[in-house]
Amino acid sequence: GENVEQHPSTLSVQEGDSAVIKCTYSDSASNYFPWYKQELGKGPQLIIDIRSNVGEKKDQRIAVTLNKTAKHFSLHITETQPEDSAVYFCAAAATEYGNKLVFGAGTILRVKS
Amino acid sequence: DSGVTQTPKHLITATGQRVTLRCSPRSGDLSVYWYQQSLDQGLQFLIQYYNGEERAKGNILERFSAQQFPDLHSELNLSSLELGDSALYFCASSVDLGGGLGDTQYFGPGTRLTVL
Repeated sequence: GENVEQHPSTLSVQEGDSAVIKCTYSDSASNYFPWYKQELGKGPQLIIDIRSNVGEKKDQRIAVTLNKTAKHFSLHITETQPEDSAVYFCAAAATEYGNKLVFGAGTILRVKS
Repeated sequence: DSGVTQTPKHLITATGQRVTLRCSPRSGDLSVYWYQQSLDQGLQFLIQYYNGEERAKGNILERFSAQQFPDLHSELNLSSLELGDSALYFCASSVDLGGGLGDTQYFGPGTRLTVL
């Protein structure tokens, strides 16, 4: 089955700097890659997603890139702010298997002000 | 607020007991997914229902079962509870567009289950 690896497990950046989180997946059938942000005591919140028919997607300070050949995708957050501090999860789904998400282990992002 | 609601927010029970977790999907969403989040296993997919029918199954224990009702709300039943079942249980929903290119899932706030 699918396996998703996520790095780093923790990331500390200074406010205003950029943060990059990387994920790799194993199943070449995976074609949907969402990123979720989870704050303490809350459910995962979708921040951006990308489908296999595009290589990059951007939404204000957040961007995601996908390299299907290398089977990896990355989250880029620019101009980080203290409110970006949270746990970030990447996930992968192969829609032929019913859209179930396989999650990475998560990255704790701390933005220091 | 994702539009997905879950009740109860917290549940404390004893080993061997049975509990039911409830989820109401976003208006218009036909698919409901259940996930378990624990410190050792992370976020893991349990089961998906689409318009009342089971569509996909993950590593869901035989002691666990789920169903989706005609009004599209879903219930996750956990029985013969063990200490290791203590976790956060999340429900997510999606409209399920088909088309084969992935369907955005919106998560509820979760139910924290503590088994003593």
